[in-house]
Amino acid sequence: GNSVTQMEGPVTLSEEAFLTINCTYTATGYPSLFWYVQYPGEGLQLLLKATKADDKGSNKGFEATYRKETTSFHLEKGSVQVSDSAVYFCALTANAGGTSYGKLTFGQGTILTVHP
Amino acid sequence: EPEVTQTPSHQVTQMGQEVILRCVPISNHLYFYWYRQILGQKVEFLVSFYNNEISEKSEIFDDQFSVERPDGSNFTLKIRSTKLEDSAMYFCASARAESPNQPQHFGDGTRLSIL
Repeated sequence: GNSVTQMEGPVTLSEEAFLTINCTYTATGYPSLFWYVQYPGEGLQLLLKATKADDKGSNKGFEATYRKETTSFHLEKGSVQVSDSAVYFCALTANAGGTSYGKLTFGQGTILTVHP
Repeated sequence: EPEVTQTPSHQVTQMGQEVILRCVPISNHLYFYWYRQILGQKVEFLVSFYNNEISEKSEIFDDQFSVERPDGSNFTLKIRSTKLEDSAMYFCASARAESPNQPQHFGDGTRLSIL
């Protein structure tokens, strides 16, 4: 079945540090890949996505590249801010040859804390 | 920006009791989902709903669970006889279409505590 594995957290960084959160996946069909973010007390918000190999998703300074050869979708940001403190979830939907993308399969989430 | 709203934000229920979690999806969305997250674990898919019927459900979604869209705006998750292990955060999501270009929008969740 489909699965997503994220690096263990929590991650604690100083402001302006470089961020990497690793994500690898296994999937049948042709997965689309997502990063969702959950700020304290809020729901899950889509941060970025990539729908095919070598696509780069980007938003708010965050980037992730869909690497089919390594089945990875690592999240990066060059300079984090205190306001980036949140829980980050890697996720996929897998089209097994049909047209439905349906349910999301999530990783376990990585807690990021950024200190001033 | 339109958003998915869930009520209540926190529900405390005695084991064995029925509970109904409510969601108002975004108004022009057609696909609806429930997920749950047990404390410290992954967000897990429960069920998807389209055109007034379940389109997919997980192994978790057994006969104790049901979903309904009673009035064209609300989307509810009912747990018939709650167990301690049903304690979790439950998220509702909706999407305009099942496509990566129409991503799922999530509510803030309902924290369900079973005593």
